[in-house]
Amino acid sequence: DAKTTQPPSMDCAEGRAANLPCNHSTISGNEYVYWYRQIHSQGPQYIIHGLKNNETNEMASLIITEDRKSSTLILPHATLRDTAVYYCIVTSSGSARQLTFGSGTQLTVLP
Amino acid sequence: DGGITQSPKYLFRKEGQNVTLSCEQNLNHDAMYWYRQDPGQGLRLIYYSQIVNDFQKGDIAEGYSVSREKKESFPLTVTSAQKNPTAFYLCASSHGADTQYFGPGTRLTVL
Repeated sequence: DAKTTQPPSMDCAEGRAANLPCNHSTISGNEYVYWYRQIHSQGPQYIIHGLKNNETNEMASLIITEDRKSSTLILPHATLRDTAVYYCIVTSSGSARQLTFGSGTQLTVLP
Repeated sequence: DGGITQSPKYLFRKEGQNVTLSCEQNLNHDAMYWYRQDPGQGLRLIYYSQIVNDFQKGDIAEGYSVSREKKESFPLTVTSAQKNPTAFYLCASSHGADTQYFGPGTRLTVL
C-alpha cells in the first residue's frame, strides 16, 4: 500500500470548514483513499473513502486531485466534537485488507 | 442495533498470565481483524480472519493467538510470551474487502 503524509496537527475555529490534507504521491491505480478519525480512547470511526471521484456523505467531503497524488478531507462546519486524530489511509482492493495507520493529524476545533 | 462489541473496556492482569479479549459482531461480516495501538501511535495489525476456521498473522502476531469458530466471534488471547502486552486493543470487521468498522476497544494493563 502507498505511504501517506499528513501534517501532525491543525486548528480550526468552531463553525468554520476544516480542510485536512493528505499526500499519497505513490498511490497506484487500484488503491482507495480512506479517512478515519479517532477520538481519544475510542475506536476509529470511518468517515469516507474514494477511488477517483470526489465523494460526499453526511459527515464530510473528500476531494481527490486529478492525478490522485493528494486528497483533502473537508468537514464543512466543524464542531468541538470533531476534535480528534484524523487518519488518511491508502489501501488496495482485494480480499480482507490490512489498514496501515500512520500518525494522522490531530485536529483541534477551537471555540 | 448492529455493531461490534468488545469486552471488557478495561482489563488488568498480572505479568505471566494469559488473558482473552472478546470481540463480537452482528453485522454479518465475514472478515474480522485485531489491531494493537500504543500511546501516540497508529494501529498495527495482529491477526485477521477472512472466513470461519481460518486466520492469518499480521505484522505483530508473536505472543498472540486467535480462534474463529463462529462468524460472529473472533477472540484474541494475549499470552505470557508477549513481551509488552500493555496496550489498547481494537477489533474490526468488514464485508470482504469493504470498509472496516471498529469496536470501542479494550485497554489492557499488565501489572
